[in-house]
Amino acid sequence: EAGVTQFPSHSVIEKGQTVTLRCDPISGHDNLYWYRRVMGKEIKFLLHFVKESKQDESGMPNNRFLAERTGGTYSTLKVQPAELEDSGVYFCASSQRDRVGYNEQFFGPGTRLTVL
Amino acid sequence: QKEVEQDPGPLSVPEGAIVSLNCTYSNSAFQYFMWYRQYSRKGPELLMYTYSSGNKEDGRFTAQVDKSSKYISLFIRDSQPSDSATYLCAMSRSGGYQKVTFGIGTKLQVIP
Repeated sequence: EAGVTQFPSHSVIEKGQTVTLRCDPISGHDNLYWYRRVMGKEIKFLLHFVKESKQDESGMPNNRFLAERTGGTYSTLKVQPAELEDSGVYFCASSQRDRVGYNEQFFGPGTRLTVL
Repeated sequence: QKEVEQDPGPLSVPEGAIVSLNCTYSNSAFQYFMWYRQYSRKGPELLMYTYSSGNKEDGRFTAQVDKSSKYISLFIRDSQPSDSATYLCAMSRSGGYQKVTFGIGTKLQVIP
């Protein structure tokens, strides 16, 4: 079974440009999460989808970030316009629909974003 | 104040040593406590989780949670060079669909 995949693996853009990150969750996983790790800091939660609906977007830093999950399958995270402080590694994770007990989140390899 | 405190290391040990990693936290609402392992240029991979206080063992790995002290630990016995990675403690309020709060991670190197 394929794991969580993310594209691109690395993106280098100029300040003010737009970048779109893509995440393909494990097939059948209703829950999809975005996290971000800024250099020297912890991995931080950005938002959570249940199928195509945003369940929790409390971690989104500002309105320059737009996440979508049309059709409840893959998700995109767009940054427009990008700022220097947006540099970091963006992780996507997915988990099965809610179950009793612990529901493991499976992480992708991340997209490394560099804003110059 | 950070919700989760973890010493970033690096921690260097000889092969075969017992490794002790730990985290403290401030939010008493956390119920699930996880340890993730992350290799360079990879995503975090769950090692084990514990619900509430207590111990859990899986092979060479033992996780301990002391909710009264808000302190969690991961012990690695007979450490191997392949254990060299960054170890992240993480916590959540529930086991279901819920955001995970991470520590900064401790970088471990096991010297052959």
